[in-house]
Amino acid sequence: KNEVEQSPQNLTAQEGEFITINCSYSVGISALHWLQQHPGGGIVSLFMLSSGKKKHGRLIATINIQEKHSSLHITASHPRDSAVYICAVDSYNTDKLIFGTGTRLQVFP
Amino acid sequence: GAGVSQTPSNKVTEKGKYVELRCDPISGHTALYWYRQSLGQGPEFLIYFQGTGAADDSGLPNDRFFAVRPEGSVSTLKIQRTERGDSAVYLCASSLGPGDEQYFGPGTRLTVT
Repeated sequence: KNEVEQSPQNLTAQEGEFITINCSYSVGISALHWLQQHPGGGIVSLFMLSSGKKKHGRLIATINIQEKHSSLHITASHPRDSAVYICAVDSYNTDKLIFGTGTRLQVFP
Repeated sequence: GAGVSQTPSNKVTEKGKYVELRCDPISGHTALYWYRQSLGQGPEFLIYFQGTGAADDSGLPNDRFFAVRPEGSVSTLKIQRTERGDSAVYLCASSLGPGDEQYFGPGTRLTVT
């Protein structure tokens, strides 16, 4: 079992839909990251959070430390949101990130 | 300001050859990380530098892989006797310090034929 698991693996949506991507982890963490990766592109950090909720534009990230679960929400989705969204955690005992396998999102007009 | 840069962006090499991949971190970032991402997978940790020293190299798959950061800024990932299984995107990230937000480079796509 992977230490960081994401669901769904693939997600398609119509423009304007509300989207949720989930991440569960099994290790103790100091922080959790949501990252965005476009095809052929590098990785962009969207959020780094250790508790509660953060919002940036149409993106919202929440984390529940007790349940070891985080969600990334996209409101009013747009085709330009199409990308792979990756959850990664900073585990307590190391300074390296442990990554999920990503969720591939496609938003159609 | 400039972000993390990596060169080359693409590298095609023959099995058995030696390759070097370069990472230029954000100026002032003391921590530097190398990751490898195979097709359809999330990135996997390779090695982490704090300053000039490798603080954690537990992700290097075998002794064909080596990385240096001699002056605490630019880092080079070196792969000897490349194998087809080494084909992947090699990502570099840097952060102000350990545990701080990591900023990723665009990656180097390595193809071993």
